Amino acid sequence: GAVVSQHPSRVICKSGTSVKIECRSLDFQATTMFWYRQFPKQSLMLMATSNEGSKATYEQGVEKDKFLINHASLTLSTLTVTSAHPEDSSFYICSAQHAGNTIYFGEGSWLTVV
Amino acid sequence: QQQVKQSPQSLIVQKGGISIINCAYENTAFDYFPWYQQFPGKGPALLIAIRPDVSEKKEGRFTISFNKSAKQFSLHIMDSQPGDSATYFCAARESGNQFYFGTGTSLTVIP
Repeated sequence: GAVVSQHPSRVICKSGTSVKIECRSLDFQATTMFWYRQFPKQSLMLMATSNEGSKATYEQGVEKDKFLINHASLTLSTLTVTSAHPEDSSFYICSAQHAGNTIYFGEGSWLTVV
Repeated sequence: QQQVKQSPQSLIVQKGGISIINCAYENTAFDYFPWYQQFPGKGPALLIAIRPDVSEKKEGRFTISFNKSAKQFSLHIMDSQPGDSATYFCAARESGNQFYFGTGTSLTVIP
């Protein structure tokens, strides 16, 4: 299957700082990428849909000024958690849309805010 | 509102047995139904997917059964193995729109 790379896999940051997570489609071009947040033993919660060259579409309740999403190219989308707080600690996962309907997920990024 | 309802929440199956996970939906515009497998600390991996024009799709030990009239689809894992122990998510998508995920099923296959 297609490969989606996510980096970093784990990051620890201090409260009040910002952290960037990258999502790359390695062997295909993805006009649409999705960002999810997942709490332990729960399902995936869609945060935003990212389309190349345009502003991301955020789900209700997701602060767009806190979770900055940039999709500057067909193979890269980034999520920046700004002014991170401990409650932002979570598992963040991206996915990229490939050839119509199929989406492939990255390996996820564990964010711990201390 | 949960667009895709998944059951059971957890499932324990003996090695060699059949694992069955069910999902139901209401939106008849959904036209793509994938299943994802997720191991702890990892991102979900596409396992198998089906479109509503077929009633069954099989790939190895994994089979999707699709009942369009009942708006239900299920994942069957034949000859379940301990290595199949993971969380499984069903999903549904209306073409051009976002994916909706089920709440997940934690499968444990005991030796």
